[in-house]
Amino acid sequence: AQSVTQLGSHVSVSEGALVLLRCNYSSSVPPYLFWYVQYPNQGLQLLLKYTSAATLVKGINGFEAEFKKSETSFHLTKPSAHMSDAAEYFCAVSGTGGFKTIFGAGTRLFVKA
Amino acid sequence: EAQVTQNPRYLITVTGKKLTVTCSQNMNHEYMSWYRQDPGLGLRQIYYSMNVEVTDKGDVPEGYKVSRKEKRNFPLILESPSPNQTSLYFCASSLSRLAGLNEQYFGPGTRLTVT
Repeated sequence: AQSVTQLGSHVSVSEGALVLLRCNYSSSVPPYLFWYVQYPNQGLQLLLKYTSAATLVKGINGFEAEFKKSETSFHLTKPSAHMSDAAEYFCAVSGTGGFKTIFGAGTRLFVKA
Repeated sequence: EAQVTQNPRYLITVTGKKLTVTCSQNMNHEYMSWYRQDPGLGLRQIYYSMNVEVTDKGDVPEGYKVSRKEKRNFPLILESPSPNQTSLYFCASSLSRLAGLNEQYFGPGTRLTVT
């Protein structure tokens, strides 16, 4: 069985500060991992994905995530937050050959001026 | 423009009145899926379809039906809606039936209220 835990339903940072959104997963098979972003009143869009090619994955808008198998983590980071980063972020996991994707509960990011 | 469309975007209905939410994609994707989003629970999969005439239950299928008669369309049917189905619904599609490998493209969402 697969599961995803996102630590912190809300995270608040100042503009220009480091963004760190935490995601831990559980999977009995090598996982595929995703981060999606949801802006207000919109659907989800892909930020980045890990599919075993490289442990450090770079995505859009300056975000990146590092796959750490020993810690079963896939935390999302951005060196310097921008006001436009305010949104809800979802971590998701699926297994090789699987048809389902399991989403975490989401973390809402607030960026203060 | 490549996209997933859903209609309606907003719907208020009463308990027991059958409704259908349509979903269409123009990317020739094999895989399509329905999710509901509830505060604190993230997205939970309702049903998915790996190709035409092939559908399967997700994690929360009770009270919902789907069909996949054409590759581009994947409607969600609530035969007898109840207030606990009040939620934000998303349709998504993916290039191949191996949804785990490919990213999913999401529609804009349908906000459903059942009174």
